[in-house]
Amino acid sequence: GENVEQHPSTLSVQEGDSAVIKCTYSDSASNYFPWYKQELGKRPQLIIDIRSNVGEKKDQRIAVTLNKTAKHFSLHITETQPEDSAVYFCAASQGQAGTALIFGKGTTLSVSS
Amino acid sequence: GAVVSQHPSWVICKSGTSVKIECRSLDFQATTMFWYRQFPKQSLMLMATSNEGSKATYEQGVEKDKFLINHASLTLSTLTVTSAHPEDSSFYICSARDPYVRSYEQYFGPGTRLTVT
Repeated sequence: GENVEQHPSTLSVQEGDSAVIKCTYSDSASNYFPWYKQELGKRPQLIIDIRSNVGEKKDQRIAVTLNKTAKHFSLHITETQPEDSAVYFCAASQGQAGTALIFGKGTTLSVSS
Repeated sequence: GAVVSQHPSWVICKSGTSVKIECRSLDFQATTMFWYRQFPKQSLMLMATSNEGSKATYEQGVEKDKFLINHASLTLSTLTVTSAHPEDSSFYICSARDPYVRSYEQYFGPGTRLTVT
């Protein structure tokens, strides 16, 4: 089955700096890679996702890159703000087949002002 | 986007009792739903895949006789934790994808906080 590794587990940055979180996956059949932000006690909130037919996707300050050959994908947050502080999870699935998401262990991002 | 609800949002039960958690897709039909468990400061761990009209598929290490899943309609899946113990205390979240749209996005319920005393 799919296995997703996520690094780092914690990340502290100054406001305005960039933050990068990296994930690797094991199943070459996975073709859907979403990123979630989760606040304590709440459901995961989708912040950006990418399909395997695309190498990069950007939405304002957030971008995701995908390297299918190396089986890794990364989340990039630019111009970080204190409200970006949260736990971030990457995930992978065979999206077209409607299979379950397999999550990485999460990254706690702290943005200090 | 599509909406998934869960009920209850939190529940406290005594050790040895059973508790049922409902997951509903409110504006789409979900042939498949997923159940996750999340312990404090940990990730979401897939417990089982719930298939409408057929038996659920459980992940390795998840006891199917303890975590009973029923997906009797296209909009409702239930998870029953039987003979609950304190170690079952966790945050349980369901998700589903709308199979009739092109998006691969999965929609999560708000979660159910289970505390077993």
